[in-house]
Amino acid sequence: GENVEQHPSTLSVQEGDSAVIKCTYSDSASNYFPWYKQELGKRPQLIIDIRSNVGEKKDQRIAVTLNKTAKHFSLHITETQPEDSAVYFCAASKTSYDKVIFGPGTSLSVIP
Amino acid sequence: DAGITQSPRYKITETGRQVTLMCHQTWSHSYMFWYRQDLGHGLRLIYYSAAADITDKGEVSDGYVVSRSKTENFPLTLESATRSQTSVYFCASSDARQNNSPLHFGNGTRLTVT
Repeated sequence: GENVEQHPSTLSVQEGDSAVIKCTYSDSASNYFPWYKQELGKRPQLIIDIRSNVGEKKDQRIAVTLNKTAKHFSLHITETQPEDSAVYFCAASKTSYDKVIFGPGTSLSVIP
Repeated sequence: DAGITQSPRYKITETGRQVTLMCHQTWSHSYMFWYRQDLGHGLRLIYYSAAADITDKGEVSDGYVVSRSKTENFPLTLESATRSQTSVYFCASSDARQNNSPLHFGNGTRLTVT
């Protein structure tokens, strides 16, 4: 089955700096790669996703890249703000609605 | 989203007892999922269901049972609770009718097994 690894497990950045979280997956049949943000005590919520036919996707300060050959994908947050502090999960699945396998998460702290 | 609700929000039970966590969604989503969240392990899939009366095991299904007699409900039962099942449990749903439907999570149930 699918296995998703994620690094780093914790990340501290100064406000305004960039943050990068990297993930790898094992199943070449995976085609959908979402990223979820979970604030303390809240449910995970989708922040951005990318499909296997796309190499990069941006949404304001957030961007994701995908290297399907290497089975790597990454989340980039620019101009970080304190409200970006949360746990971020990468994930992989065959379709957006099918079973989704998550990485172990990255706890991001943005220091004002 | 108010469309998917979990109950109870908090539950304390004793080792060996049976406990059922409820999940109800109002969107008529075909897919439903149960995940458990533990520090250092992220979200691990317990069971999922593609439609009523269809269920499949996930990554960590031992000790759990599910049923899906109606599309809107997906209860998770711990047949004989163990301390290792202390966790936060999230139910989620998704819509196979939409190509871009992500997972929609409930608010979670915090279960403590003493």
